[in-house]
Amino acid sequence: EAQVTQNPRYLITVTGKKLTVTCSQNMNHEYMSWYRQDPGLGLRQIYYSMNVEVTDKGDVPEGYKVSRKEKRNFPLILESPSPNQTSLYFCASRATGTQPQHFGDGTRLSIL
Amino acid sequence: SQQGEEDPQALSIQEGENATMNCSYKTSINNLQWYRQNSGRGLVHLILIRSNEREKHSGRLRVTLDTSKKSSSLLITASRAADTASYFCATDTGGGNKLTFGTGTQLKVEL
Repeated sequence: EAQVTQNPRYLITVTGKKLTVTCSQNMNHEYMSWYRQDPGLGLRQIYYSMNVEVTDKGDVPEGYKVSRKEKRNFPLILESPSPNQTSLYFCASRATGTQPQHFGDGTRLSIL
Repeated sequence: SQQGEEDPQALSIQEGENATMNCSYKTSINNLQWYRQNSGRGLVHLILIRSNEREKHSGRLRVTLDTSKKSSSLLITASRAADTASYFCATDTGGGNKLTFGTGTQLKVEL
């Protein structure tokens, strides 16, 4: 089954404790993105990747890092999480730049 | 900044009625996409309309695009309770790098 898998689905942690949210897709897609969703703000892109070792900033990259060492994986790293990064995070992938995106089920992060 | 803005923010209708949601955007686009999100879940792609298309249908969905007005509408006909969800438009401005989402319309379909 074609899917984008995020882990964990839920995480409560404390300020400053590094965390990684994993994202994996099994569709051999080149494009992958991370978004955060906050009430009243819709989805905002954090980072995106057009292929292995090619990543770039989206609208709200501050406080986040990503890597794309393999085509299928695109982890999101919060080196020193802060409460303003409490949000619902989505990973997405698509085959080409003009195709629809496939979304994971989301990761709800709470930073205390 | 938000490229797409949906209107209305919330919509409540009875089952069987039609639901219309609108999306306005600011810059030229390659295509515009509509997505649905059930509460707390990931977004699901509904329909994509390219900048050279004016109307597109998929089942009970009808999407129009007016590039001169920089606006799009999503019509759901004969709505069902299962259509209750948030609906987002997303604009693709080219290069394949970025899809910019609006803030969404919350649709509630009551029995």
